Amino acid sequence: EADIYQTPRYLVIGTGKKITLECSQTMGHDKMYWYQQDPGMELHLIHYSYGVNSTEKGDLSSESTVSRIRTEHFPLTLESARPSHTSQYLCASSEFEGSISEAFFGQGTRLTVV
Amino acid sequence: SQQGEEDPQALSIQEGENATMNCSYKTSINNLQWYRQNSGRGLVHLILIRSNEREKHSGRLRVTLDTSKKSSSLLITASRAADTASYFCAFPAQGGSEKLVFGKGTKLTVNP
Repeated sequence: EADIYQTPRYLVIGTGKKITLECSQTMGHDKMYWYQQDPGMELHLIHYSYGVNSTEKGDLSSESTVSRIRTEHFPLTLESARPSHTSQYLCASSEFEGSISEAFFGQGTRLTVV
Repeated sequence: SQQGEEDPQALSIQEGENATMNCSYKTSINNLQWYRQNSGRGLVHLILIRSNEREKHSGRLRVTLDTSKKSSSLLITASRAADTASYFCAFPAQGGSEKLVFGKGTKLTVNP
């Protein structure tokens, strides 16, 4: 079982609120990712990190921001939530062995902005 | 788009039958992976195949990779109701890129 945790699992929040989705892993992985997935749809990479103090935008433009101050922690923040941000957010990590390594996923945070 | 394309989008079979899902991609890759996602949950890694491999087995799973056609297939033999899930292929965004991108997925339903 993967040691990567996301909190909260579910979040319903009002428009304009600031939220932070937490993601932590205990495997010492260098690479971490955030994906956005609408129900029944494909995953879109929105942020990734190669290691501490390294963050980059993914392929899907997102108004969220991330930080990587510690290896094990990769939180995602929305400064002002909007209904269009309603989605499932999946965090993943993998070892930094070139690009050939499996990714371990958290259980996801299902965000609803009302 | 760098996303992979999978087909079929949905597949419904009876228990005991085999299920085949296909994935196509556009760039040169050095590996391709398959993941499973139960409804509303995170993804679980199933199998990884490197570009110098043509076929790989893991239990009831068989994966093939044809780099000349830029395609891969996942075969699940003797399916069970518990295999009901969505299946995604994943690969580096560009060649040796560290970014892992996913196909659109195949939703498999195995009827008891």
